[in-house]
Amino acid sequence: AQSVTQLDSHVSVSEGTPVLLRCNYSSSYSPSLFWYVQHPNKGLQLLLKYTSAATLVKGINGFEAEFKKSETSFHLTKPSAHMSDAAEYFCVVTGGYGSSNTGKLIFGQGTTLQVKP
Amino acid sequence: DGGITQSPKYLFRKEGQNVTLSCEQNLNHDAMYWYRQDPGQGLRLIYYSQIVNDFQKGDIAEGYSVSREKKESFPLTVTSAQKNPTAFYLCASSIALAGAYNEQFFGPGTRLTVL
Repeated sequence: AQSVTQLDSHVSVSEGTPVLLRCNYSSSYSPSLFWYVQHPNKGLQLLLKYTSAATLVKGINGFEAEFKKSETSFHLTKPSAHMSDAAEYFCVVTGGYGSSNTGKLIFGQGTTLQVKP
Repeated sequence: DGGITQSPKYLFRKEGQNVTLSCEQNLNHDAMYWYRQDPGQGLRLIYYSQIVNDFQKGDIAEGYSVSREKKESFPLTVTSAQKNPTAFYLCASSIALAGAYNEQFFGPGTRLTVL
């Protein structure tokens, strides 16, 4: 079965410092992985996705993530935080084809990023 | 502009009433989804539809119903049988059923409060 664990429910950084949001996954198939961002009372926006091409994936707004199969991780990073980055971030894995989760997205619990001036 | 619209943004209903949430997309996507989001939790799948006139239960379908009579529309009805309906509801769509290349696009959400 597929699952995803976001290791921190809340991360606080100062503006201009690096951001690291951690995500581990479990999948018996070759997974596709996504990071979405949600600002308060808004829908979700795709930041980036991994689909078995390059292991280092670049997304929008300066975010990137590295797929590490040996560590079953897909951590999200950004070199320098901006105030507008304050939001909820979700790590997502696709359900494996042929499983009961075929065609579904499996969401982590979310990480709230706080950016201090 | 292409995208997904949900209406209304905020909805208040009395306990015991059915209520229907609207979701429309002009992306020409085949697949559509409804999620529920509660504070501090990830998204939970209510129903999804792979194609017109077909839909499947998600993980928490009890107390909800859907229809998919048109490709661009996927309304969700929250019935009186749903024991705790107050939540933020998100609609999404994808080119085809979610998979390696089929990321989901989300609407702005509807916040339902049952009084």
